[in-house]
Parts: sequence; structure tokens; C-alpha cells
Amino acid sequence: DSGVTQTPKHLITATGQRVTLRCSPRSGDLSVYWYQQSLDQGLQFLIQYYNGEERAKGNILERFSAQQFPDLHSELNLSSLELGDSALYFCASSATLAGSSYNEQFFGPGTRLTVL
Amino acid sequence: QQQVKQSPQSLIVQKGGISIINCAYENTAFDYFPWYQQFPGKGPALLIAIRPDVSEKKEGRFTISFNKSAKQFSLHIMDSQPGDSATYFCAGRGSNYQLIWGAGTKLIIKP
Repeated sequence: DSGVTQTPKHLITATGQRVTLRCSPRSGDLSVYWYQQSLDQGLQFLIQYYNGEERAKGNILERFSAQQFPDLHSELNLSSLELGDSALYFCASSATLAGSSYNEQFFGPGTRLTVL
Repeated sequence: QQQVKQSPQSLIVQKGGISIINCAYENTAFDYFPWYQQFPGKGPALLIAIRPDVSEKKEGRFTISFNKSAKQFSLHIMDSQPGDSATYFCAGRGSNYQLIWGAGTKLIIKP
């Protein structure tokens, strides 16, 4: 168990809908990362937050948005869903932004999103 | 360039054999190279990592070999076991501290 929790575990919805995925980082971790993993594909970095502020953006669609709250949990909002958005969405957390540590990312169990 | 190229895409190895997965990078500013292991239905987990000032790092049956001049690094799994069957991802950490990921290698160890 990495200490990162994600809810829900599974989500089935229809095209055009909007969903919210939730992530609680490990205790004390300030950085949260969101990744998308399509079937048998690699990890696509979406966005990173550090202590409530957006730090980096990857290949995140304009229909997607995220935020990190004062208690450090994060939410990923996906709107106007399309069939191609079906994927595993992972949240990861790390202790620091960078610093002298190797900044290991600890991954949650993921949310499997199915868009019908 | 930020890419990390990983090969092979899939690999089948007999139990007890050596599994080798290769990665190549272009960005000489990368300062940290982790390998993550992912089992089906689970999130990736850090397996082993290396800094570019070290040519080899060994942890149990897992070894990273690093060739800075060639900008290549590889994961060797000695005495591969069925429990090692998983998807392995290499990555490089860039100057903005983001991990740039390889595409992954699906490893199957045949009993």
C-alpha cells in the first residue's frame, strides 16, 4: 500500500458527461501528479500541483481540469467525456517539489473510467 | 529533446533466465533515472533508481546498468521468476523535475 488513495475505483458514465476523480496523497506529501494510462499504453502525464499551486502541465486536454485543496487532496475534473477518455487515471504524490531527494513518486491504485 | 525510448515493448523469458529492458534518452540534463514496476490493476511502484554519476546499481536480483556517454540505461533481472511478470517503465527526470516516461515493457516469465 503506497499510502495514496483514489476514489472511486471504477466509474462508468456516458459520453458528454462530467466526472470528478479524487486523490488523497500520502501524509505529508505536498506534490500531487495526475496521469492517464490507456489500455496497454504508457503513462501520460497530465498535471502536477505543489502545495495548492499548479506547477506543471503535460498533455492535458482543455476539457480536463484539476485542483489541489488546502488539505492537499486533489481532484481531477473531466468534462464533455468522449469514448477515447476511457482509461486508468492515476494519482501520485511525492514529498517535495524537487530538493535534494530523489523525489520518488508514490502511485495510488487508480480510477478506471469507462465512457459508454 | 525530452523523450525516453524504451525497448522491447514486450518480452518473454523462461524462469531462471535474465530479463533485459533497455532505455535511451536524449536530454543530457536528466539527473535521475528510476525504474517502476506495475502489476495488472495496480499503480506503478518504484523498483530501483540510479544517478548518472554511477555506472551500475544492484538491489537483489535487479541491476541498473548506466552508460552516460551512450545515453542509455538498462534493467537486468537475474534469475527471473514468474512473480516478476509485470510491466516495467523507465523514466528520466528533467531540469523541471518532471519524470519523462518510457512507453513500458510487458514482461512475462514462463514457468
